[in-house]
Amino acid sequence: EAGVVQSPRYKIIEKKQPVAFWCNPISGHNTLYWYLQNLGQGPELLIRYENEEAVDDSQLPKDRFSAERLKGVDSTLKIQPAELGDSAVYLCASSLGDRGTGELFFGEGSRLTVL
Amino acid sequence: AQSVSQHNHHVILSEAASLELGCNYSYGGTVNLFWYVQYPGQHLQLLLKYFSGDPLVKGIKGFEAEFIKSKFSFNLRKPSVQWSDTAEYFCAVNARGTDKLIFGTGTRLQVFP
Repeated sequence: EAGVVQSPRYKIIEKKQPVAFWCNPISGHNTLYWYLQNLGQGPELLIRYENEEAVDDSQLPKDRFSAERLKGVDSTLKIQPAELGDSAVYLCASSLGDRGTGELFFGEGSRLTVL
Repeated sequence: AQSVSQHNHHVILSEAASLELGCNYSYGGTVNLFWYVQYPGQHLQLLLKYFSGDPLVKGIKGFEAEFIKSKFSFNLRKPSVQWSDTAEYFCAVNARGTDKLIFGTGTRLQVFP
């Protein structure tokens, strides 16, 4: 069974440039999460989707961050414009939601460096 | 609001030493508890979890954790570590019935042969 797939694995951009990350969850997982992981910190939730609906986006900085999951499968997280402080690892995870055990399955992450 | 504290930020051990990593959480209701591990260059993966029942849970690779409700703790243990246990370990909690997983700041474990 394929795991959560994220791309790109690494991205280096200059500040004020836009960047997008893509995530394909495990097949059949209706719940998808985007987490932010700063160096030396634990992951912090940015947004959670149930199918195509964003049910928790309270931690997403909406002035520059946006996300979508149009067909309830894969998802894109965008930052525009990027700032130096956005340098971090962006993790995608999926789960079975209410049908599951609470376990989240994580992708390998997308490491962003903003210069 | 829920929070998770991991007091050991960096632990260095020799092979065969015993391991205990502390985890305390703050939440007044019923919780599910997890330990995730991230090996160098790999993704986060589940080590073990506690939902209910026996407070001593066993996970993969010889790890176990004990839920002590009165202390709001869920410490991770392993009697004898191996070099391959070198990784970062994250404790996490969610309120029962929710999917919102709150992570601690992680503990970096280095095991030397």
